[in-house]
Amino acid sequence: GAGVSQSPSNKVTEKGKDVELRCDPISGHTALYWYRQSLGQGLEFLIYFQGNSAPDKSGLPSDRFSAERTGGSVSTLTIQRTQQEDSAVYLCASSLSPLAGVETQYFGPGTRLLVL
Amino acid sequence: AQKVTQAQTEISVVEKEDVTLDCVYETRDTTYYLFWYKQPPSGELVFLIRRNSFDEQNEISGRYSWNFQKSTSSFNFTITASQVVDSAVYFCALSESNAGNMLTFGGGTRLMVKP
Repeated sequence: GAGVSQSPSNKVTEKGKDVELRCDPISGHTALYWYRQSLGQGLEFLIYFQGNSAPDKSGLPSDRFSAERTGGSVSTLTIQRTQQEDSAVYLCASSLSPLAGVETQYFGPGTRLLVL
Repeated sequence: AQKVTQAQTEISVVEKEDVTLDCVYETRDTTYYLFWYKQPPSGELVFLIRRNSFDEQNEISGRYSWNFQKSTSSFNFTITASQVVDSAVYFCALSESNAGNMLTFGGGTRLMVKP
């Protein structure tokens, strides 16, 4: 596809359950990012992948959050034992390799997560 | 540490008015990049512009223009002759060259353009 795609677009879950959010980056983009947008915290960086490795995990809010990327393409963000404060929109972005400098990030439509 | 401040949380204008969205940033890096993104009601962040710290030339793209001033650490965005379709939340963001391409966003400015 032409842009970043994310699935599901909406997810409602019960507190304590695990959820998986998926991101498919723009073809040819080696870098992939996850951000979270919530009412109280604005837009926060979570994690960054260059290829399949994650040189920067500094934004993950707790050890309940993890992410992986396989084949240098699709990424999955997993939240274990969800809490109500995890309710937010999770945005994925991709870019060309930033190893030679900062590159523009292009965002997907996001996954709206609601934890009841 | 890097920081972006968008002091205007909400602006309301009438169609055809000009409007300026303010963005002030803080960074200790000499090499950095500034961005503006638009988030319409659909929710997707749409890239508008990117500037690096060595290029202070102002840019115009149609009804949009950007004023980058390093002396005041500002990167303001002006929409000329606003239209209803410009209604959205606009985010200013900063990336330092040594920060792994991480974007630090301002809090956003909600622009409402009324017919």
